[in-house]
Amino acid sequence: DIQLTQSPSFLSASVGDTVTITCRASQGISRYLGWYQQKPGKAPRLLIFAASTLQGGVPSRFSGSGSGTEFTLTISGLQPEDFATYYCQQLDTYPITFGRGTRLEIK
Amino acid sequence: EVQLLESGGGLVQPGGSLRLSCAASGFTFKNFAMTWVRQAPGKGLDWVSEISGIGGSMHYAEAAKGRFTISRDNPKNTVFLQMRSLTAADTAVYYCARRRGDVFDYWGQGILVTVSS
Repeated sequence: DIQLTQSPSFLSASVGDTVTITCRASQGISRYLGWYQQKPGKAPRLLIFAASTLQGGVPSRFSGSGSGTEFTLTISGLQPEDFATYYCQQLDTYPITFGRGTRLEIK
Repeated sequence: EVQLLESGGGLVQPGGSLRLSCAASGFTFKNFAMTWVRQAPGKGLDWVSEISGIGGSMHYAEAAKGRFTISRDNPKNTVFLQMRSLTAADTAVYYCARRRGDVFDYWGQGILVTVSS
C-alpha cells in the first residue's frame, strides 16, 4: 500500500499568515493527489486535484504543487474559515489512501 | 445540484450486519464510480470500497475484504454497502462520495455506524 505522510500533524497560525502542509508518498504517484478540507462534524470538501488544480469555488489563496513523492498545500493569507483539518489523498493505486491529516488551529 | 444522502446506519451488535444506502441525485449516476470512506471517532479518513459506474468492477480496502460488499442500482441512483461480521473497529461515520476522474468531488453528509453490545 502507498503510505502518505503529512507534516506537520498540527499547525498553529494566525489570520493573515501563509502556511504550507507537506504530503510525502512512499512511492511515486505522478500527480494523482488530492487535498481535502474537513471541519468538525462535516464531510470533507475537495480543494485541489491532480496535485495543483483548484476545484471550482475554492478560493485562490489555496494552491498545490508537487509530483512523484512530494506534494505541498499552501494557504496564502489565512482566513478564519480556513481553520480546519486538511488531508491529502492518493488515487494512483488501490487501495486508495489518505494522509493522517493536519489540524490547523488559530494561534 | 449534486446530492448524496446516506441512510441505514445505527447501532448494531458485534458480529451483526448492516446495509448502508446512498441515494444520489443531480447527475447521471451511471457515469460515475462511487465510493465509501469511513472515519472512526476522532480519527482520520479511511477509504473502504469503490464500485465502477456500471458496477462491473469493485475494489476493497483490506479491512473490508470478505466482510463488506459494495453494489449499486443504477435505475434507482443508489449505491449500497453491505457490512457483515461487524466489530467495534468498524464504528465510524461512513461517507459515500462520487469519484470524478482521480478525486472524490462530492460527499454525502455521513451516517454513523456504532458496533457495540
